[in-house]
Amino acid sequence: DIQMTQSPSSLSASVGDRLIITCRASQSISSSLNWYQQRPGKAPNLLIYAASSLQSGVPSRFSGSGSGTDFTLTITSLQPEDFATYYCQRSHSTLWTFGQGTKVEIK
Amino acid sequence: QVQLVESGGGLVKPGGSLRLSCAASGFTFSDYYMSWIRQAPGKGLEWVSYISSSSSYTNYADSVKGRFTISRDNAKNSLYLQMNSLRAEDTAVYYCAKVDFWGQGTLVTVSS
Repeated sequence: DIQMTQSPSSLSASVGDRLIITCRASQSISSSLNWYQQRPGKAPNLLIYAASSLQSGVPSRFSGSGSGTDFTLTITSLQPEDFATYYCQRSHSTLWTFGQGTKVEIK
Repeated sequence: QVQLVESGGGLVKPGGSLRLSCAASGFTFSDYYMSWIRQAPGKGLEWVSYISSSSSYTNYADSVKGRFTISRDNAKNSLYLQMNSLRAEDTAVYYCAKVDFWGQGTLVTVSS
């Protein structure tokens, strides 16, 4: 089975910071990678699909890149509402595999 | 607008059963494959099960295979998860989802 590994597991940042979260697949998944944001007590929300496509309604400060085994989620100019947990997900239709999550906290 | 509303969660004893439901609206339910995902308290996301749009194909995580059954009724715009032989480690919030939208979840607690 393909494993997804995120780093870091958590980080502290300030409003206005630029953030990069990485996700590595244990074998190539082409561009089959989604990114979700989960705020406390809420359901996950799709940010990025197919590694680099911005989901409708998601602010442009979020971007994704990568293919094969290495992927990144970048948040430029972190906003107060961005403090949340972020998950990468291998987007194979019949089997979803999530990374362990990256919790972004206020410094 | 798209809505997915889960129901059927609750407290159940180890070895017991529950049936979760997910009512869909705001999109053509029969066009989409659907999944169940769970999240144990304070933990990450764990995919549980998948069903194709026509119910012709299903898939399960190893942790639930043989105990859980996913199904759907496209005429009723509904998704289901029958959970049998429940264990303490099945305690979680269960979400139904299509890839770009998730419901708010229903809590299942397995405890004596």
